[in-house]
Amino acid sequence: DIQMTQSPSSLSASLGDRVTITCRASQSIGTYLIWYQKRPGSAPSLLIYDASTLQSGVPSRFSGSGSGTDFTLTINSLQREDFATYYCQQSDSSPPTFGGGTKVEIK
Amino acid sequence: QITLMESGPTLVKPTQTLTLTCSISGFSVNTGGVAVGWIRQPPGKALEWLALIYWDDDKRYSPSLKNRLSIIRDPSKNQVVLTMANMDPVDTATYYCARRPYSANDLDYFDSWGQGTLVTVSS
Repeated sequence: DIQMTQSPSSLSASLGDRVTITCRASQSIGTYLIWYQKRPGSAPSLLIYDASTLQSGVPSRFSGSGSGTDFTLTINSLQREDFATYYCQQSDSSPPTFGGGTKVEIK
Repeated sequence: QITLMESGPTLVKPTQTLTLTCSISGFSVNTGGVAVGWIRQPPGKALEWLALIYWDDDKRYSPSLKNRLSIIRDPSKNQVVLTMANMDPVDTATYYCARRPYSANDLDYFDSWGQGTLVTVSS
């Protein structure tokens, strides 16, 4: 299985900050990388697929980049509703595997 | 509007078989290119993919759980059913069903999720 490693595992940020989360795959996955947001008590929500394609309806302050093994999720101008846990997922080979998550907390 | 809703027992005993149903509206399990998957999240832990069934009845399973899992479609009810045998307390988790949309480059991702159902395994 392809291992997905996210860093950091948690971070504290203030409203309006720019936040960067990284995801590293144990082998090259091209751009077969997806990002989800998960708030406590809610289902995961799709943010970005194919490494950089923003899902319809997702605010443009979210962006994704990367290819191969290293990927980044950036949140520009952090809003209150962005405080959540973020997960990456690879879809290059079966089984799909998720990263361990990055919890974004209010500073 | 796409909705998925999980249903099943909230408490199962060790060694029992868990059966979860995903009831779907807003798309058909027969829609070309579409699949429905199951993903779980143990308390305080990360997401774990379990199984996926495609519109053409192709099925994929987590290798680590393959011997315990079964996934089927019921087009007449527009449902997907997951069974997991020999439940253990470590299987305590919130179980989600989710839609994998059509993808031109065969990308397996999930764009619509159910709210999830918490299953506790305890005697």
